[in-house]
Amino acid sequence: DADVTQTPRNRITKTGKRIMLECSQTKGHDRMYWYRQDPGLGLQLIYYSFDVKDINKGEISDGYSVSRQAQAKFSLSLESAIPNQTALYFCATSDKERNYGYTFGSGTRLTVV
Amino acid sequence: RKEVEQDPGPFNVPEGATVAFNCTYSNSASQSFFWYRQDCRKEPKLLMSVYSSGNEDGRFTAQLNRASQYISLLIRDSKLSDSATYLCVVNSIGGYNKLIFGAGTRLAVHP
Repeated sequence: DADVTQTPRNRITKTGKRIMLECSQTKGHDRMYWYRQDPGLGLQLIYYSFDVKDINKGEISDGYSVSRQAQAKFSLSLESAIPNQTALYFCATSDKERNYGYTFGSGTRLTVV
Repeated sequence: RKEVEQDPGPFNVPEGATVAFNCTYSNSASQSFFWYRQDCRKEPKLLMSVYSSGNEDGRFTAQLNRASQYISLLIRDSKLSDSATYLCVVNSIGGYNKLIFGAGTRLAVHP
């Protein structure tokens, strides 16, 4: 099993629909992140969480919300999807004690039509 | 100005060539530096950390110049399998492990 699992892998949804992307990890890391990636652009941070009770906005949080249900689970919601939220979404985790970078999930390809 | 800037490429090189990528970062307080590799439509994967004294991992060599706020990655003896996008990554201000990603440099190695 992957260390960081994202579901679904692909999703097509209609404008205005609410959608949730889920992320779970088995690495025991405290820190979790949601990024989006658009063609030709770097990864942009949406939200991050350093522990279960900690939620922080990233660079592009408008239109998104998150929930940290447990240390291992971090969900991203689009309350009312719009076409410019079509992108590749990545969840990542990191260990607060050791600065060895992130472990990413395989990504969710979201298309809003 | 972007926090992390890279030449988007593509760099088209023949097998066996040596190729170098550069990256500049804007925050002089950054403490952690990485190179990630990303294959098309896949997740980024850590290639190597970058240390102040420079470091090598097989065919890959990373250098850091703090004075110029500049990071480099050198790939020797390029393989077809090295074709990918290489992301320069720097930690954000505040000391937290929150990383800022460059947009990446695309490398295409041809026979």
